[in-house]
Amino acid sequence: GDSVTQMEGPVTLSEEAFLTINCTYTATGYPSLFWYVQYPGEGLQLLLKATKADDKGSNKGFEATYRKETTSFHLEKGSVQVSDSAVYFCALSDRGGGFKTIFGAGTRLFVKA
Amino acid sequence: GAVVSQHPSRVICKSGTSVKIECRSLDFQATTMFWYRQFPKQSLMLMATSNEGSKATYEQGVEKDKFLINHASLTLSTLTVTSAHPEDSSFYICSARDEGQGSDEQFFGPGTRLTVL
Repeated sequence: GDSVTQMEGPVTLSEEAFLTINCTYTATGYPSLFWYVQYPGEGLQLLLKATKADDKGSNKGFEATYRKETTSFHLEKGSVQVSDSAVYFCALSDRGGGFKTIFGAGTRLFVKA
Repeated sequence: GAVVSQHPSRVICKSGTSVKIECRSLDFQATTMFWYRQFPKQSLMLMATSNEGSKATYEQGVEKDKFLINHASLTLSTLTVTSAHPEDSSFYICSARDEGQGSDEQFFGPGTRLTVL
């Protein structure tokens, strides 16, 4: 079945450092890919998405490119802030799977001032 | 964007009681909603797909008699945790797709934190 694998955390960075969180997926169809963010004590928020190969999703300085050849959707940000501290989930949704969303394990990010 | 609400946001109950959690799509209709469970510091695990007007589809390992799902209308799905026990304590999150937009994007509710004493 479909699955998502993302790098284990926690990831600890200093403010203004470069962030990369790796995410790879397996899917039988052509899924849409997402990054969600969960701040402490809160629900999920969509951070960005991409619906087809080579699409780049971006939001709040975060970017991820849908790479079909490497089945990857790595999250990047050039300069993190303390307020970016949260848990980040990579996810896919496949029309063939009835639009169920499959989540990666989540990566906890700590940004130090 | 589309909004999904959940009620209650937090509930504490005694072992053996039943708890109902509501999930509503506020400004769109959804024939399908999804229920997830999240243990502390873990990912979201899909429990079941809630289908309006028909039975829910449960994921493997989820007890359908314990987690009753009713999708009574195009904007409301309920999850009832029956005879709750401490191991049912978790964060329950629902989601829905705005089918009118033709998008794959799911909109998530804010979650319900259940604590069973």
